[in-house]
Amino acid sequence: AQSVTQLDSHVSVSEGTPVLLRCNYSSSYSPSLFWYVQHPNKGLQLLLKYTSAATLVKGINGFEAEFKKSETSFHLTKPSAHMSDAAEYFCVLNRDDKIIFGKGTRLHILP
Amino acid sequence: KAGVTQTPRYLIKTRGQQVTLSCSPISGHRSVSWYQQTPGQGLQFLFEYFSETQRNKGNFPGRFSGRQFSNSRSEMNVSTLELGDSALYLCASSLTPDSDTYEQYFGPGTRLTVT
Repeated sequence: AQSVTQLDSHVSVSEGTPVLLRCNYSSSYSPSLFWYVQHPNKGLQLLLKYTSAATLVKGINGFEAEFKKSETSFHLTKPSAHMSDAAEYFCVLNRDDKIIFGKGTRLHILP
Repeated sequence: KAGVTQTPRYLIKTRGQQVTLSCSPISGHRSVSWYQQTPGQGLQFLFEYFSETQRNKGNFPGRFSGRQFSNSRSEMNVSTLELGDSALYLCASSLTPDSDTYEQYFGPGTRLTVT
């Protein structure tokens, strides 16, 4: 069965420090993987996607993610957090038209 | 290019009533998906429409239904509302449902409150 696990429900980092949001997936075959961000009272916005091309994917707002098949992971990173990054982040798996959302990770940025 | 629009943005209904939510996809997009977001269950897939046909359906009761029109606009209907249906309902559109390039664009959502 396919699944997505976001390992942390909340992550707090200080402004200017690195961000790491963890996502592990389970899929029999290579899936398409996405990261979305949801700011308060807003819809979801696509940050980046992996579709079997380059394993290191660069997205908007300085975010990037690395697909590691051996670890079945697709962690989201950013070198330096900004206050505007405070939001909820969702890791999403799409395989054979089955779309599965992770439970989300709320990112808090400390001044 | 205008984004995905959803109407209404907020809705209050009482138990037993029915409700219809509307979604207009980005111009040129033919695939529309609906999701329910609640604090307890997170984001759950409801159904997806492409070219006026339902392609996929999540694990929701038959009270939840939808349709898509020839202009790709979609509506979602919930009948006999229950308190547990209170949620943010999100609509997302994409060019096609091709999983290799599947990139969804989300609307702001409709906040449904059932009292």
